[in-house]
Amino acid sequence: DAGVTQSPTHLIKTRGQQVTLRCSPKSGHDTVSWYQQALGQGPQFIFQYYEEEERQRGNFPDRFSGHQFPNYSSELNVNALLLGDSALYLCASSAYRGLSPITEAFFGQGTRLTVV
Amino acid sequence: EDKVVQSPLSLVVHEGDTVTLNCSYEVTNFRSLLWYKQEKKAPTFLFMLTSSGIEKKSGRLSSILDKKELSSILNITATQTGDSAIYLCAVEAGYGGATNKLIFGTGTLLAVQP
Repeated sequence: DAGVTQSPTHLIKTRGQQVTLRCSPKSGHDTVSWYQQALGQGPQFIFQYYEEEERQRGNFPDRFSGHQFPNYSSELNVNALLLGDSALYLCASSAYRGLSPITEAFFGQGTRLTVV
Repeated sequence: EDKVVQSPLSLVVHEGDTVTLNCSYEVTNFRSLLWYKQEKKAPTFLFMLTSSGIEKKSGRLSSILDKKELSSILNITATQTGDSAIYLCAVEAGYGGATNKLIFGTGTLLAVQP
């Protein structure tokens, strides 16, 4: 059973460029969340997708956008890259439980984005 | 604003020592508290706590939640070099029938020396 898979593992981009990161959730999971983890910091919530819609968003600018596909996989897009966008981007999948707590969120290995 | 605070920020111990990591939170719509271990990239799940005062154990690791004090501790006994990692505390915050998100602390960097 494959866990959460993310691609690519590493990426180097130039300021002003655009980037797309991809995530396939763990089998049986239908909810995908994206997190940004800067060096020395804990992961920061970007947004969450369920039923192909953005359900919850953290404190990130509109340059950060996403998409979820019918097979539950997801993309994170970042436009007009800034040096400060350099970070580890983590995808987490979980099963939607409504008002009940999630069992646990499984994380992918992440994409290390470097903006130069 | 929701926040999760972990202490200490870093810790160096010797093999065989016992360590206690702390996590406190101020979060509206609390649903659960989770502990993760991060060695290279992907945080790996350790515990999820929802009820106050009930200890969860897995081998040498254990954790407990105190909802009155809005805090949790993670204990590691008989530490080994393989326990060296960043330990992340996260609180799941729910938003009324929609979905939920994890709010992370900055983590505790644990280094276990032989």
